[in-house]
Amino acid sequence: GAVVSQHPSRVICKSGTSVKIECRSLDFQATTMFWYRQFPKQSLMLMATSNEGSKATYEQGVEKDKFLINHASLTLSTLTVTSAHPEDSSFYICSARAGAGGTEAFFGQGTRLTVV
Amino acid sequence: GENVEQHPSTLSVQEGDSAVIKCTYSDSASNYFPWYKQELGKRPQLIIDIRSNVGEKKDQRIAVTLNKTAKHFSLHITETQPEDSAVYFCAAGGKGSQGNLIFGKGTKLSVKP
Repeated sequence: GAVVSQHPSRVICKSGTSVKIECRSLDFQATTMFWYRQFPKQSLMLMATSNEGSKATYEQGVEKDKFLINHASLTLSTLTVTSAHPEDSSFYICSARAGAGGTEAFFGQGTRLTVV
Repeated sequence: GENVEQHPSTLSVQEGDSAVIKCTYSDSASNYFPWYKQELGKRPQLIIDIRSNVGEKKDQRIAVTLNKTAKHFSLHITETQPEDSAVYFCAAGGKGSQGNLIFGKGTKLSVKP
């Protein structure tokens, strides 16, 4: 299958700082990328969907000013957690899809964010 | 929007037995139903998927069935092995250009040797 690379895999930051997470499709052009949040022993909660060159679509309850998403190219999307707080600590994972809806999405390896 | 319910939340079987996980969805426009396996600390991996023009799909020990009228789909694993132990997620979506996937809450499968 296609490869999606996510960095960093782990990050610890101080409360009030911002953290940027990158998601790259290595061998295909990702028309759509998704960002999920996963709490321990829980499911993947969709945060937002981004299409290259346009603004991200956020799910209800997700603060777009806190979780900034940029999808500047067909191979890169970034999620920036701004003014991070301990409650933002979680596992963040991206997925990327090459085709239209109804095609397989490939996941990055995830980022474990700890805010202290 | 789409809502996906998944049952059971935990499932324990003996090695060699079959395991069945069921999901229901709410949006009749959804047309893509993948199943993912996630091992502890790792990314979800697609194990099988089905589209709404097909009722059943099989890949070796894994099969998925889809009932669009009832809006439910199921994962069947036969001859389970200890390495099948993981969390399994169903998802539904695929409609339109966004094609957002909405995931079920997951099923923790334990296969006892």
